[in-house]
Amino acid sequence: DAEITQSPRHKITETGRQVTLACHQTWNHNNMFWYRQDLGHGLRLIHYSYGVQDTNKGEVSDGYSVSRSNTEDLPLTLESAASSQTSVYFCASSESRFHEQYFGPGTRLTVT
Amino acid sequence: KQEVTQIPAALSVPEGENLVLNCSFTDSAIYNLQWFRQDPGKGLTSLLLIQSSQREQTSGRLNASLDKSSGRSTLYIAASQPGDSATYLCAVKDGGSQGNLIFGKGTKLSVKP
Repeated sequence: DAEITQSPRHKITETGRQVTLACHQTWNHNNMFWYRQDLGHGLRLIHYSYGVQDTNKGEVSDGYSVSRSNTEDLPLTLESAASSQTSVYFCASSESRFHEQYFGPGTRLTVT
Repeated sequence: KQEVTQIPAALSVPEGENLVLNCSFTDSAIYNLQWFRQDPGKGLTSLLLIQSSQREQTSGRLNASLDKSSGRSTLYIAASQPGDSATYLCAVKDGGSQGNLIFGKGTKLSVKP
């Protein structure tokens, strides 16, 4: 069955370190998204991609970057981790802008 | 800027009750609206997607309605069960935000046996 996976599921890192969270989908979807979920804020969009070599900033993109070299993967990089980036991160994909988005299981990141 | 509001933030009902969860949005220029379910420590599971041209969608005991002109959607759950306990999230695909999803903060539902 097609699916979307994220790794690692849990990560503890120190302030200032570079961290990369992986997202892999097997639906062959063009569109992929990264969100963060925080108490009191709900889900907020970090970056998104509508296809290979396409990346766009979302609502809360500062301190994050993504690259899209193939259809299946959209890794999220925290250039220099900050305590404010402690959060649960979700990756999602969809067939097109107007189809349902399917979410991965999430990565819980703690920055100490 | 599109804003999505879900009221109430939490709801507790006895098993077997029919219930309604509410979602409102400020800008009616949406492509579609999606309802999700999230269990504690888990990802989001898509429940129903309503396109802007539709009035409702049904899946099993779930029925979602959309009134775009008034900026409202409801999720109706029939004959609630303890297994329905979860947080329910509403999200609109906004025409003004490059077609991205804008989420409400959710309604936490608890169904008591």
